[in-house]
Amino acid sequence: GAGVSQSPSNKVTEKGKDVELRCDPISGHTALYWYRQSLGQGLEFLIYFQGNSAPDKSGLPSDRFSAERTGGSVSTLTIQRTQQEDSAVYLCASSLWTGIENTIYFGEGSWLTVV
Amino acid sequence: DAKTTQPPSMDCAEGRAANLPCNHSTISGNEYVYWYRQIHSQGPQYIIHGLKNNETNEMASLIITEDRKSSTLILPHATLRDTAVYYCIVRDINAGGTSYGKLTFGQGTILTVHP
Repeated sequence: GAGVSQSPSNKVTEKGKDVELRCDPISGHTALYWYRQSLGQGLEFLIYFQGNSAPDKSGLPSDRFSAERTGGSVSTLTIQRTQQEDSAVYLCASSLWTGIENTIYFGEGSWLTVV
Repeated sequence: DAKTTQPPSMDCAEGRAANLPCNHSTISGNEYVYWYRQIHSQGPQYIIHGLKNNETNEMASLIITEDRKSSTLILPHATLRDTAVYYCIVRDINAGGTSYGKLTFGQGTILTVHP
């Protein structure tokens, strides 16, 4: 696609359930980032992928959060045993990361509400 | 932590130039200045970036001081649709760096364009 695509755009889940959020980066982009934005808060870095590897997972808030990337393309962010404080917009972004053209482009986010 | 300082809010009249300042006094040689904006309920949108020279594109101009310790984003003819949160970010694009080129967002400047 032309831009970063995320699904679902909205998700309401019950506390304690697991959720999966999907990101399709821009075609050919090797770098992929996940961010989180809680209501009224700034953007918080979660994890970075280069290809299928995640050299920087420093932003994942707890071991309930995990992410994977397959085929150097699609990424899935999984939140296990969701809590109300997990309610936020989860944003995915991608970049060519050639060292020359490396602008990061964001998707529209997945809005997660835990009730 | 973000390495930039921005005013929390600014106003601008429609049709006038909006000049958004940013202080990044600890910027290092590998770091570029990036600007993004986030319109309510949308993902961040890339605006412009620069290293030390002034830059202009179809959206805005970026003026970086000679010592690179501050910069100004200029929207030459602001419209109501430019109302958003504007983020100034310093970013190390060195592929070998431990920051992996990720963007660290601060609180940004809320720009309100009024009729």
